[in-house]
Amino acid sequence: AQSVTQLDSHVSVSEGTPVLLRCNYSSSYSPSLFWYVQHPNKGLQLLLKYTSAATLVKGINGFEAEFKKSETSFHLTKPSAHMSDAAEYFCVVSEASGNTGKLIFGQGTTLQVKP
Amino acid sequence: NAGVTQTPKFRVLKTGQSMTLLCAQDMNHEYMYWYRQDPGMGLRLIHYSVGEGTTAKGEVPDGYNVSRLKKQNFLLGLESAAPSQTSVYFCASSYSSRDYISRQYFGPGTRLTVT
Repeated sequence: AQSVTQLDSHVSVSEGTPVLLRCNYSSSYSPSLFWYVQHPNKGLQLLLKYTSAATLVKGINGFEAEFKKSETSFHLTKPSAHMSDAAEYFCVVSEASGNTGKLIFGQGTTLQVKP
Repeated sequence: NAGVTQTPKFRVLKTGQSMTLLCAQDMNHEYMYWYRQDPGMGLRLIHYSVGEGTTAKGEVPDGYNVSRLKKQNFLLGLESAAPSQTSVYFCASSYSSRDYISRQYFGPGTRLTVT
């Protein structure tokens, strides 16, 4: 069975400093992995998607994530945080079997950006 | 394109009342999904549909029913609401072909409170 674990429920950084949101996954198959962002009282927006083409994936708003199979990790990073990055971030794996497109969500990490 | 829309945006129900949440997409997507979001638990799949006239149970289906009579609409019903169903509900859709399922596109959410 596939699963996703986000290692931090809350991360706080200062504006202009790097962001690291950690995610580990468990999958028997070669997974499709995603990061989604949710701003307060909004829906979910796709940040980036990994589907085995390249291990370093660039997303919107300066975010990127690196797929490391040996570590079963898919951490999200950004070199310099902006106040507008404050939101909740979800690491997500797509269920590989059954052709259903079902997603399995991590518990979420709340990113706080201090001025 | 409106994308994925949800009706209503907010609703307060009394225990035992019933209601239907409507999800509509104008992207001609085959697959549609209903999730609920609770604090600290990410999004959990309630029911999903891989095509018009088909539905299937997700991770937390109890207390909910769904219907997909038209390709563009996916309805979520609560027959007898309970306080445990207080949550934010998200609908999503995705495109699929024989070998490929796209990312999911999410609606803005419906905030439901059951008193």
